[in-house]
Amino acid sequence: AQSVTQLDSQVPVFEEAPVELRCNYSSSVSVYLFWYVQYPNQGLQLLLKYLSGSTLVKGINGFEAEFNKSQTSFHLRKPSVHISDTAEYFCAVTITGGGNKLTFGTGTQLKVEL
Amino acid sequence: DGGITQSPKYLFRKEGQNVTLSCEQNLNHDAMYWYRQDPGQGLRLIYYSQIVNDFQKGDIAEGYSVSREKKESFPLTVTSAQKNPTAFYLCASSSRGQVANEQFFGPGTRLTVL
Repeated sequence: AQSVTQLDSQVPVFEEAPVELRCNYSSSVSVYLFWYVQYPNQGLQLLLKYLSGSTLVKGINGFEAEFNKSQTSFHLRKPSVHISDTAEYFCAVTITGGGNKLTFGTGTQLKVEL
Repeated sequence: DGGITQSPKYLFRKEGQNVTLSCEQNLNHDAMYWYRQDPGQGLRLIYYSQIVNDFQKGDIAEGYSVSREKKESFPLTVTSAQKNPTAFYLCASSSRGQVANEQFFGPGTRLTVL
């Protein structure tokens, strides 16, 4: 079975600084990877996804992620964060032929400070 | 506007009572999902349905039941057998296909057992 690890439960960062949220996955077969964002007391919104092709994926709100198969990672980055980026971020994985069932990481709370 | 609605937003119930959470989508999606979210644990899959009149258990189905009589609707019943039902419940939907498709999420229902 596949799994996702988000080692950082909280990441504080100052406004306009760069940020990287880490995600590592485990799977014996090919995977599809996703990053979602959740604002307080709301549902999840897709930031970006990797299905195939270029390993650098660009998403909404200036976020990007790089798929690294050898390191089984899919880290999320933003070169300059804004206060409005304060939210919880979830990495998720599904396997090819997996019926679109997602396995989520435990989430990383990004707190942007002035 | 197309989307997913969940009602109610907040729900309180006494121990020993069953309660049903509503999830409706007008995205014409075949697949629907129910997740439970607890602090620090990410999202865990309760049940999912790929097509009308068919559904499968997820990772934590015990104490829950679902039905899928209409394409647009996927209600979740939290039964008295669920030992720790207080949580945030999220419904999602997606189109079907060979390649993983984005799951769209509703705004969630926060259930509190008194």
